[in-house]
Amino acid sequence: QSALTQPASVSGSPGQSITISCTGTSSDIGEFTYVSWYQQHPGKAPKVMIYEVLRRPSGVPDRFSGSKSGNTASLTISGLQAEDEADYYCSSYSSTSTPWVFGGGTKLTVL
Amino acid sequence: VQLVESGGGLVEPGRSLRLSCTTSGFTFGDYALTWFRQAPGKGPEWLGFIRGAAYYGTTEYAASVKGRFTISRDDSKGIGYLQMNSLRTEDTAVYYCARCVDVYRVWAPVDHWGQGTLVTVSS
Repeated sequence: QSALTQPASVSGSPGQSITISCTGTSSDIGEFTYVSWYQQHPGKAPKVMIYEVLRRPSGVPDRFSGSKSGNTASLTISGLQAEDEADYYCSSYSSTSTPWVFGGGTKLTVL
Repeated sequence: VQLVESGGGLVEPGRSLRLSCTTSGFTFGDYALTWFRQAPGKGPEWLGFIRGAAYYGTTEYAASVKGRFTISRDDSKGIGYLQMNSLRTEDTAVYYCARCVDVYRVWAPVDHWGQGTLVTVSS
């Protein structure tokens, strides 16, 4: 049971936009602006795509954007491309006994 | 920037194992280091964090491993370590180290990850 809740899967066609939600509590997403999103291709290490809710590391396309409202964070990918097909995980700083918590992951399929 | 984990393998329940995270391409002492793991088919799990030399290498741990796992570092060699004791079958996972963008703040994000090393706990 992951601390943060994500949909198991989402899909979209090339060029379309999709949004992945990540729901937490008032002890993590609701309290802090320290939310990260990771992309993971099979057999590879996670790669940070968004940090501090909406900031993009250098090299990440601006097709990736993040936001937060209340206890829910969201990752939006616009102009879907085939290489975006991957697993996506959200993570948030938490005031509980474990500083960082993760979601269970969302598998993005590009149709 | 590179981080390379090593030391994984097959270990029996109850035994110990020490993983290494060998870094290059940056001044290791200026950054904190974080350890994660990912069980097969699951999401990542944050395990712990060690601050840079300026903050005496102080550590933070996840509740699930506190008291069993110990993180340390050798800034002269650019290597971080994860000592795992009393291993259980549920500790089977790929273990990753990652560079934190800050030397002190546990709430700061990580930017670079290693490729991971597989630990299998089984009799």
